Amino acid sequence: EPEVTQTPSHQVTQMGQEVILRCVPISNHLYFYWYRQILGQKVEFLVSFYNNEISEKSEIFDDQFSVERPDGSNFTLKIRSTKLEDSAMYFCASKLENTGELFFGEGSRLTVL
Amino acid sequence: SQKIEQNSEALNIQEGKTATLTCNYTNYSPAYLQWYRQDPGRGPVFLLLIRENEKEKRKERLKVTFDTTLKQSLFHITASQPADSATYLCALYNFNKFYFGSGTKLNVKP
Repeated sequence: EPEVTQTPSHQVTQMGQEVILRCVPISNHLYFYWYRQILGQKVEFLVSFYNNEISEKSEIFDDQFSVERPDGSNFTLKIRSTKLEDSAMYFCASKLENTGELFFGEGSRLTVL
Repeated sequence: SQKIEQNSEALNIQEGKTATLTCNYTNYSPAYLQWYRQDPGRGPVFLLLIRENEKEKRKERLKVTFDTTLKQSLFHITASQPADSATYLCALYNFNKFYFGSGTKLNVKP
């Protein structure tokens, strides 16, 4: 069964460093998302991406964040100058159609020290 | 923005009983609503989708209802099993964004 894969599964970084979280969505999907979940809290929308551009972003997704789909398969989330409060689980998700289910990856746990 | 409310208290039920979870929302009705299951440390897994013009949807032991007048969805698991123990999230879709509720933790005791 096709699945969304994310790397790394866990990353520890120092405050102020840059991190890149990588995702390989399901190959024929067209819509891509990043969500985050701070421990014990709800899944929060960060950004959606369609047709090689951002289609929606939340107020959380400020200039510190950026997304790219550099080669048609990978979908990356870059976090510049990380802060302690960026510590969370980051989930990538993709879907085939505009009205369809989201397929989530297993997440990348980011710990900022 | 859309506000979604799910009961933050865990729901504890006995194996074999029906679990009923509630999702209430404010503001505009979504184009459709989905329910997901999330196990600790894992990504959410899709269970069911119901559109705004549908009243009820079923899949095996799962049933979802959607009342746009009450702005509420109910999620039922019949003949519950300990393996159903997890956190269940409701998600509303509008304008290319999914808004998730905080989830309700279900504990099914043998």
